[in-house]
Amino acid sequence: DTGVSQDPRHKITKRGQNVTFRCDPISEHNRLYWYRQTLGQGPEFLTYFQNEAQLEKSRLLSDRFSAERPKGSFSTLEIQRTEQGDSAMYLCASGDSEKLFFGSGTQLSVL
Amino acid sequence: GESVGLHLPTLSVQEGDNSIINCAYSNSASDYFIWYKQESGKGPQFIIDIRSNMDKRQGQRVTVLLNKTVKHLSLQIAATQPGDSAVYFCAENISPEAAGNKLTFGGGTRVLVKP
Repeated sequence: DTGVSQDPRHKITKRGQNVTFRCDPISEHNRLYWYRQTLGQGPEFLTYFQNEAQLEKSRLLSDRFSAERPKGSFSTLEIQRTEQGDSAMYLCASGDSEKLFFGSGTQLSVL
Repeated sequence: GESVGLHLPTLSVQEGDNSIINCAYSNSASDYFIWYKQESGKGPQFIIDIRSNMDKRQGQRVTVLLNKTVKHLSLQIAATQPGDSAVYFCAENISPEAAGNKLTFGGGTRVLVKP
C-alpha cells in the first residue's frame, strides 16, 4: 500500500453517462497527478496539480474531462458523456519530489 | 482482473537466476529515471531511481544502469523470485522544475518467473 487511495476500484457504465473518480493522495504531498493506462501500454500523463492549482493538462484530456483539487488535498476526475474509448485504468499519483507514488487505480469499462 | 497488457515483450527467467530488463529512453535532456513494477490489478510500484549524473545505483537485489551515450537504461534483478513476476516500466523526467515532475513512461516488459 503506497498510501494513495482511489475510489472506486472498478466502474462499469453505459456510453453517454457521466462518471467521477476520487483520489486521496499521501497527505504531505503537494503534487497530485492523473494518468491513464490502456491494455499493453505504460501510463500516459493527463494532468497535475500543485496544491489546488491545476498547472498542466495533456492534449489527451478532452473537453469531456475535468479534474479538480479544491482544497489541495483530495482530487476528483470527472468524465462526461463517456465513450467506449474512455475504457481504461485511471491512475492517481502523488509526490513532493521526482518520485511518484501511485494508487491502485480505477478501472473504467464503458459499455 | 487483468489490467496490464497481454501483448508485451516477455522475459522468462528461471527462479534463482538474474534478470535484466532493458529500456531505451527518448529524450537526451532527461535527468531523472525511475523503474516501476506493476502487478495485475495494481498501480505501478516504485523500485529504484537514478539521476543522470550517475551511471549505476544499487538497491536491495536490484541494480539500475544508465548509459546516456546511447540513451539506455537497464534494471537487473538478482536471484529472481516468483514474487518478481510482473510488468516492469521505465520512466523518465525531462526536467523536474520545468515539467512539474511529470514522468513519461516507456513500454513495459513482462517478467515471468518459472519455478
